[in-house]
Amino acid sequence: QSALTQPASVSGSPGQSITISCTGTSSDIGSYNLVSWYQQHPGKAPKLKIYEDSKRPSGLSNRFSGSKSGNTASLTISGLQAEDEADYYCCSYAGSSTSLFGGGTKLTVL
Amino acid sequence: EVQLVESGGALVQPGRSLRLSCAASGFIFDDYAMHWVRQGPGKGLEWVSGISWNSGSIGYADSVKGRFTISRDNAKNSLYLQLSSLRPEDTALYYCAKDSLMEPRAVFDSWGQGTLVTVSS
Repeated sequence: QSALTQPASVSGSPGQSITISCTGTSSDIGSYNLVSWYQQHPGKAPKLKIYEDSKRPSGLSNRFSGSKSGNTASLTISGLQAEDEADYYCCSYAGSSTSLFGGGTKLTVL
Repeated sequence: EVQLVESGGALVQPGRSLRLSCAASGFIFDDYAMHWVRQGPGKGLEWVSGISWNSGSIGYADSVKGRFTISRDNAKNSLYLQLSSLRPEDTALYYCAKDSLMEPRAVFDSWGQGTLVTVSS
């Protein structure tokens, strides 16, 4: 079980779009349509933003979208807003009732 | 409204044991898998363990396998984590998280606020 690989940090200006990548292996991301993305503000519990690779929980902003190609998943945030500044984590099901998180990406809104 | 309330965190010495609990409300507890996820101080999220709706499927991270035991009591709407042979690297905020599926498939749609475990002599 090795953690999924995410960039340590990304940044963008208000109104722009950014993409965070999440790279795994053929045993996790590449084997299941079960990648999810979480947003965590400092001192707060994580919040689900994307599940099953590209689905959005009901009521959540459509500025967040997910995609996947092979062993790499991506989260795109469009129309960046100040409130989007947070840590973002990807997670994938890895078989045998186990899961793996990425190391996390700090998003800075300039 | 889904509520998950963790308890049981404490300061413990290396090698000792501890039992965490998570009280669930606002949803049909035995319809969903549940998980424990931890976050060390200043670190990222780490999945620890997951259990299916009927306890038939259980998984553990390699870092805790053989030392931690997850369980649930559907009659009490409660999730548990028994931590044994604790190490300093187990120091973390431990979150209880609800899956959106009956089997543990890493879709954590609700989270508690966490309970702090500190392992130190």
